Amino acid sequence: DTGVSQDPRHKITKRGQNVTFRCDPISEHNRLYWYRQTLGQGPEFLTYFQNEAQLEKSRLLSDRFSAERPKGSFSTLEIQRTEQGDSAMYLCASSSPWGELFFGEGSRLTVL
Amino acid sequence: EDQVTQSPEALRLQEGESSSLNCSYTVSGLRGLFWYRQDPGKGPEFLFTLYSAGEEKEKERLKATLTKKESFLHITAPKPEDSATYLCAVQALRNTGNQFYFGTGTSLTVIP
Repeated sequence: DTGVSQDPRHKITKRGQNVTFRCDPISEHNRLYWYRQTLGQGPEFLTYFQNEAQLEKSRLLSDRFSAERPKGSFSTLEIQRTEQGDSAMYLCASSSPWGELFFGEGSRLTVL
Repeated sequence: EDQVTQSPEALRLQEGESSSLNCSYTVSGLRGLFWYRQDPGKGPEFLFTLYSAGEEKEKERLKATLTKKESFLHITAPKPEDSATYLCAVQALRNTGNQFYFGTGTSLTVIP
């Protein structure tokens, strides 16, 4: 399968712990996006990479959040000192040259 | 302010009862409008891209149309397997590249 893959699918952690999510985009896509989605809401933009360059970060992304995309391939999203308000689905998407976003299955975070 | 609004928030249909979902937007620099289907606990699945007013796309029981300020997703003779949340997204060109703005979705339930 050559779709977008995310790992882990579900993470349960205690408040204050650090968590890291990984995203492997579709191989020929040079654009990669991270979104956060809570129940009943649409995806909210977090950050965007073109190749290895992080071009934009949302104001939603506090200094506890960091994302990387070394070598322009896979990407990681780390959340430090997690809070209960961080509980959400974290979605990764990669973009074709024609603009469509293709999403992974998401990583659901539950902070206890 | 860039905004995407979907209506209704929720829709219950009898199997075979056709209807339409609405997506209205106020986004400058529109490059495209996208429809996605999202099943519970999963990432959004790409359905259609529309680029210009008057354009239409069809897939099975779904047809998407676009005007200058809104898009409609028409569902003809729906089946229970069409039950899902349907998300609309608008793509706009910004200084940092393509940005996507999502609506909050319409939750569709089709009753046998």
